[in-house]
Amino acid sequence: GAGVSQSPSNKVTEKGKDVELRCDPISGHTALYWYRQSLGQGLEFLIYFQGNSAPDKSGLPSDRFSAERTGGSVSTLTIQRTQQEDSAVYLCASNLNTGGAGELFFGEGSRLTVL
Amino acid sequence: GENVEQHPSTLSVQEGDSAVIKCTYSDSASNYFPWYKQELGKGPQLIIDIRSNVGEKKDQRIAVTLNKTAKHFSLHITETQPEDSAVYFCAASDTGGFKTIFGAGTRLFVKA
Repeated sequence: GAGVSQSPSNKVTEKGKDVELRCDPISGHTALYWYRQSLGQGLEFLIYFQGNSAPDKSGLPSDRFSAERTGGSVSTLTIQRTQQEDSAVYLCASNLNTGGAGELFFGEGSRLTVL
Repeated sequence: GENVEQHPSTLSVQEGDSAVIKCTYSDSASNYFPWYKQELGKGPQLIIDIRSNVGEKKDQRIAVTLNKTAKHFSLHITETQPEDSAVYFCAASDTGGFKTIFGAGTRLFVKA
């Protein structure tokens, strides 16, 4: 597709269950980012990928959060044993990143609700 | 690491007035400062950006200024219109461009 695609758009789960959120970046974009946006709040950096590697995982809130990227394309953010405080919109962005900072292209996000 | 502070958190203006949003950053190595607009239910979209080798940039009704010495930058919207109502985020990027840190956002209301 033309833009960053995220799925599911909405996910309701019970506390303690695992969830997987998927991001399909713009074709050819080498950098991929995950951010978390709690209700009415700013964008909290979680992790970024350069190709398939994640040089900076410092933003992951706990060891229940993990992410991977395969083939330099699709990325999956996994939250294990979800808690109510994990409820938020999870935004993915990609960037061409040919050696300098530039525009991030965001998807519309996956809204996670943990009951 | 980088920390970006943004003010105000909420801004209400009358249609036609100007709106100014201010941000400060902590990492003197940051050299790229984008501004994003987020409409309800959408992801943020870039509206303007500035790099550290310039002090001001303008695009129609939107302008951004940068003061590297003071480590602050501002967004100016002139002749505001109701469709400018949204949440605006400033951000700063490190020298590698790999990590963009966002401010907390400003909710702008433009009253018709």
